Amino acid sequence: EAQVTQNPRYLITVTGKKLTVTCSQNMNHEYMSWYRQDPGLGLRQIYYSMNVEVTDKGDVPEGYKVSRKEKRNFPLILESPSPNQTSLYFCATSPQGHSPLHFGNGTRLTVT
Amino acid sequence: KNEVEQSPQNLTAQEGEFITINCSYSVGISALHWLQQHPGGGIVSLFMLSSGKKKHGRLIATINIQEKHSSLHITASHPRDSAVYICAVAEGSNYQLIWGAGTKLIIKP
Repeated sequence: EAQVTQNPRYLITVTGKKLTVTCSQNMNHEYMSWYRQDPGLGLRQIYYSMNVEVTDKGDVPEGYKVSRKEKRNFPLILESPSPNQTSLYFCATSPQGHSPLHFGNGTRLTVT
Repeated sequence: KNEVEQSPQNLTAQEGEFITINCSYSVGISALHWLQQHPGGGIVSLFMLSSGKKKHGRLIATINIQEKHSSLHITASHPRDSAVYICAVAEGSNYQLIWGAGTKLIIKP
């Protein structure tokens, strides 16, 4: 089954404790992207990747890192999480840049 | 930079009604996406279009490039259509999407 798998679904952590949210896809998609969704602000792009070893900043990259060492995986890394990174995070993929997006189920992160 | 506006912000209707959700943008685009976010949070892509009209089941999406406007229609609405509907646009070869704020739709039985 074609899918985008995000883990974990829920995460509660403390300020400064490094964490990684994983995103994996089995559709051989070239394009992968991370978004955060906050009430009243809609979806905002954090980082995106057009292909292996190619990543670019989105609208709100501060405080986040990503890597694309393999085509199927695009982890989101928070080196030192802060409370303002409490949000709902989505990974999305598509065959190429201008194609319909496939979303993961989301990760609800709380930083205390 | 493009500004994407959706209207209405909130819409409540009775089951069976014809629903229209609008999306306007300010600068020329290469593609427009319509997505649905379920109450549980999951997001599903409904349509991607750059001209004309697309139909899938009871959903119809249209776009008018000259007027910089797109509409999403739902025929014979049903309570399971209750969700947030989001419009997003892509400009030229830029792969970043600019997102609307969403329209929250509630269909009452």
